[in-house]
Amino acid sequence: GAGVSQSPRYKVAKRGQDVALRCDPISGHVSLFWYQQALGQGPEFLTYFQNEAQLDKSGLPSDRFFAERPEGSVSTLKIQRTQQEDSAVYLCASSLAPRGSSQETQYFGPGTRLLVL
Amino acid sequence: GQQLNQSPQSMFIQEGEDVSMNCTSSSIFNTWLWYKQDPGEGPVLLIALYKAGELTSNGRLTAQFGITRKDSFLNISASIPSDVGIYFCAGRRTDKLIFGTGTRLQVFP
Repeated sequence: GAGVSQSPRYKVAKRGQDVALRCDPISGHVSLFWYQQALGQGPEFLTYFQNEAQLDKSGLPSDRFFAERPEGSVSTLKIQRTQQEDSAVYLCASSLAPRGSSQETQYFGPGTRLLVL
Repeated sequence: GQQLNQSPQSMFIQEGEDVSMNCTSSSIFNTWLWYKQDPGEGPVLLIALYKAGELTSNGRLTAQFGITRKDSFLNISASIPSDVGIYFCAGRRTDKLIFGTGTRLQVFP
């Protein structure tokens, strides 16, 4: 496809369940970002990959959050033992250029809406 | 987490009116970006600003990078119904984007 895709679009989980959210970036994009967007707020950075290397995970809120991009394309964000405060939209973005370069333009996917009951 | 101050929080305007919103920060940024987010979708980049004082237009949209590098504004001229959505500013130093709290725009015919 032409853009960033994410699946599932909606996820309802019971508190304590593990969830896995998938991101398919634009083909050939080097950089991949995950963001968390709480209701009524702007997106907040979670983690950054350059190809398969996770170069920045400073935004991950706890060790229950784990992300991977093993082959430098598709990425998965996993949340273990979900809590109600994890309810949010999780956005993925990709960019052709490495983070911080003047050519960096992030293209966002539609997001996964996670509701933890 | 850190979010930039964006105002107004929401706007209700009539079709054809001009709109202005701004974003301020206590920190200096090297790049200012403006995004629009429609319900159920991710943010879409509208305008990117790379230099202090820069004024850039994209159709009916005009944005400026403040001289102090701590603020930016976005103007929309002659609003139309499809301008409805949430507008976010974002600042970048060398690495991560810091987003604003958003301005929700409603346009009435």
